[in-house]
Amino acid sequence: DVKVTQSSRYLVKRTGEKVFLECVQDMDHENMFWYRQDPGLGLRLIYFSYDVKMKEKGDIPEGYSVSREKKERFSLILESASTNQTSMYLCASSLVGSSYNEQFFGPGTRLTVL
Amino acid sequence: RKEVEQDPGPFNVPEGATVAFNCTYSNSASQSFFWYRQDCRKEPKLLMSVYSSGNEDGRFTAQLNRASQYISLLIRDSKLSDSATYLCVVKEDDYKLSFGAGTTVTVRA
Repeated sequence: DVKVTQSSRYLVKRTGEKVFLECVQDMDHENMFWYRQDPGLGLRLIYFSYDVKMKEKGDIPEGYSVSREKKERFSLILESASTNQTSMYLCASSLVGSSYNEQFFGPGTRLTVL
Repeated sequence: RKEVEQDPGPFNVPEGATVAFNCTYSNSASQSFFWYRQDCRKEPKLLMSVYSSGNEDGRFTAQLNRASQYISLLIRDSKLSDSATYLCVVKEDDYKLSFGAGTTVTVRA
C-alpha cells in the first residue's frame, strides 16, 4: 500500500525558532511536494523536488527552505518561525511524467507558532 | 485571481439526493483535471480524473467544459459517507497541481 508519512501530526513552536518538518515516502517516487493548507485558500505549493538534491520554488516559498538528500525523504525547514506560518502542512509524492497524475499525501502536520 | 475557484458551500443534502457543483479554472493551457476528496482532518485523496468526454465512476459523474473552462461533479443517490470536502484540481505541467479551496458537502440522514 502506498504510504507517505510525516514526522509529527501536531507541533507547537515559538516565534523565531527553527522548525523541521520531515516527510518520507516508500513508493520510490521521483517527485515530492510541500503544501500548506489554510481555510478558504486551499492547498498552496511551497516547494517541490523532482530528484535528489533538486528543488524548485512553488507559489509561496518565502520563509521556507527544503532539503532532499535521499530519494525517499523531503524536509521542509522554517528558518525562523513566525505566527503567519501557523497552518496545516501537507507533504505529497508522485511519479514523474505527464502520464502520472496522482499525488499521494501524508496525514499532515498542524503547526502552531506562538 | 485564484487559478481554481470553487463555491465553498456547504451543500447540505438529504440521503438519496443528487448534488452537483462546479469549479472554474483560469489557465486555458491546463493539461488535466481531477476531483480529490478530503475528509475532515484527513489528507486529500484522488476521487477521479475528469475527461473531456465526461466520465462516471459509480454514483459520481464528472464533466469538463474546456471552452468555458469549468469542471463539474455530480453525486447521485448521496450517502452519509459522501460527506466531505471536494477539491477541484488542475494539472498545470508535469509537476504542478493547482487546487481549489474545496466545496463542502454534508449528507444528512
